[in-house]
Amino acid sequence: QVQMVESGGGVVQPGGSLRLSCAASGFTFSTFDMHWVRQAPGKGLEWVAFIRHDGKSQYYADSVKGRFSISRDNSENTLYLHMNTLRSDDTAVYHCTRDPAGTPVYGFDYWGQGTLVTVSS
Amino acid sequence: EIVMTQSPATLSLSPGERATLSCRASQSVSSNLAWYQQKPGQAPRLLIYGASTRATGIPARFSGSGSGTEFTLTISSLQSEDFAVYYCQQYNNWPPWTFGQGTKVEIK
Repeated sequence: QVQMVESGGGVVQPGGSLRLSCAASGFTFSTFDMHWVRQAPGKGLEWVAFIRHDGKSQYYADSVKGRFSISRDNSENTLYLHMNTLRSDDTAVYHCTRDPAGTPVYGFDYWGQGTLVTVSS
Repeated sequence: EIVMTQSPATLSLSPGERATLSCRASQSVSSNLAWYQQKPGQAPRLLIYGASTRATGIPARFSGSGSGTEFTLTISSLQSEDFAVYYCQQYNNWPPWTFGQGTKVEIK
């Protein structure tokens, strides 16, 4: 079955860095576009970043542009989010999610449980 | 950027009642709209895509309608497991992919 497991979250000081990972299984990872979506405590969903299935295209939310970088290793079925210059408003649960665009299904069809990032001194 | 606005913020209903949730886009998104359900401590779950197509395994009591800028998610008869937060999302004009702020369906 499709599964995505995030890791790498934790407590980091403002201005610090963190790398999140998302290990995917149960599907052909290299054929799917992927996203990171975050949710601040008690708040709604915010799209963060996108990467095309072959890694050749990335997009970012304005709130993270220039600070975050999304990448993937299709040989290891793993998605990454490199986060630099972290701020308190980056505190959130970060979910990786699959984009089935190009199949008959649309939207974000599978989500990981998320990993919590807390930016605090 | 397309802004998605959901109403109401909270819907207080009893089991067995009908729930009607609204989502409005700041400009047309055609039928490129999805609905998600999220329960506390869980990841969102895709319910509806293409404004009206149920995702795999979603019960028939969930239905979506609308196109352009006005959309509705209807739960025909609320079950205990349906009390949750619901989000709409547009995937017509991206980036960014944008979500509504959510509607909480709570037990009255």
